[in-house]
Amino acid sequence: DAKTTQPPSMDCAEGRAANLPCNHSTISGNEYVYWYRQIHSQGPQYIIHGLKNNETNEMASLIITEDRKSSTLILPHATLRDTAVYYCIVPRSNFGNEKLTFGTGTRLTIIP
Amino acid sequence: DTGVSQNPRHKITKRGQNVTFRCDPISEHNRLYWYRQTLGQGPEFLTYFQNEAQLEKSRLLSDRFSAERPKGSFSTLEIQRTEQGDSAMYLCASSLDLAGGYNEQFFGPGTRLTVL
Repeated sequence: DAKTTQPPSMDCAEGRAANLPCNHSTISGNEYVYWYRQIHSQGPQYIIHGLKNNETNEMASLIITEDRKSSTLILPHATLRDTAVYYCIVPRSNFGNEKLTFGTGTRLTIIP
Repeated sequence: DTGVSQNPRHKITKRGQNVTFRCDPISEHNRLYWYRQTLGQGPEFLTYFQNEAQLEKSRLLSDRFSAERPKGSFSTLEIQRTEQGDSAMYLCASSLDLAGGYNEQFFGPGTRLTVL
């Protein structure tokens, strides 16, 4: 798997956009970037994934730089329920349909 | 609730005892995964099944660990002769493998094992 680097923790005010960065400078051309999050005492939850184009769904937006060496997950209007550990994952295969390799992620705390 | 259930939710056992966990995936999902998570760390992959076939096992899965998925439905993870280092959250996930696309993994709530 391509190595990913994320800040260990971040704070964001409720209602503001939360921008979570991820560095994946060793990513190869056909590897996707995936984001999962884990709310306390729950299993991880899929958020979004992308290859080279920016992606948006009902949960978040994913911005991938042109050189694909980094990406940013954006939660547009953070709520207290978004407090969680966020994992950026670049699995070995084209679609990551086998194992996921989680790092330690970014602990995001939403401040009221 | 993701639709993936795990039982028991908590298990306390003494060192040397055997334990078995069960995972019931989303019914139409053909892939099932087991992960282990220790405090402060992200989940670590243990093994996964495609239907009833176990396709990959991590080196973390020592000889004391065995997983089965009879008939490609529910799965069990057994740990024999438990050690204190086995204390962790054991997570199960399932996905529907469709060729040519990404299939998100849906995780259960986990079974927390404490070995005394």
